[in-house]
Amino acid sequence: NAGVMQNPRHLVRRRGQEARLRCSPMKGHSHVYWYRQLPEEGLKFMVYLQKENIIDESGMPKERFSAEFPKEGPSILRIQQVVRGDSAAYFCASSDMFGGDETQYFGPGTRLLVL
Amino acid sequence: RKEVEQDPGPFNVPEGATVAFNCTYSNSASQSFFWYRQDCRKEPKLLMSVYSSGNEDGRFTAQLNRASQYISLLIRDSKLSDSATYLCVVNLPRLNTGFQKLVFGTGTRLLVSP
Repeated sequence: NAGVMQNPRHLVRRRGQEARLRCSPMKGHSHVYWYRQLPEEGLKFMVYLQKENIIDESGMPKERFSAEFPKEGPSILRIQQVVRGDSAAYFCASSDMFGGDETQYFGPGTRLLVL
Repeated sequence: RKEVEQDPGPFNVPEGATVAFNCTYSNSASQSFFWYRQDCRKEPKLLMSVYSSGNEDGRFTAQLNRASQYISLLIRDSKLSDSATYLCVVNLPRLNTGFQKLVFGTGTRLLVSP
């Protein structure tokens, strides 16, 4: 049973380019969460999605950031016009709330470096 | 005040030692509590949930004090492989969606030496 998968694992972008981060949840999980971890800081919640719905995006910056979880395919976190401050590790987690198990399982992360 | 506060450490201990980490949280509405472990440049992994009655898993014991809004993790007989950052995690119910947002502390770093 494959765990949460994220790709790419490392991504280098120049300022102004777009970054697309992908997350495939664990098999059978329909809830996806994105977190950002800046160097020497804790993980910060960004957005929570279910299939085709954004449930909570209270941690998402209002501009340049967007997320989706389509009916088919992985969840995508998109950062437009990246700036140096976007350099961070972006972790995706998934959960299966059926049966009451809300445990979030994390993927290996995507490390974004903006030059 | 931070939502979840931890001593960043590092805690340097010899193998076999007992070490305790503490964590405080600010939101009394929090209902679920966890300790996660994060190795360098890796993803967080759930170590254990924390229950009001306290719970133990092998060498690890977690305690919760709701009145003081305080969580602890005790590691007995430390192993070299316990070296990692330990993240205190608290859920924050969001009334409009029912979604319980996880709030992470910045972590306490543990270094176990031979």
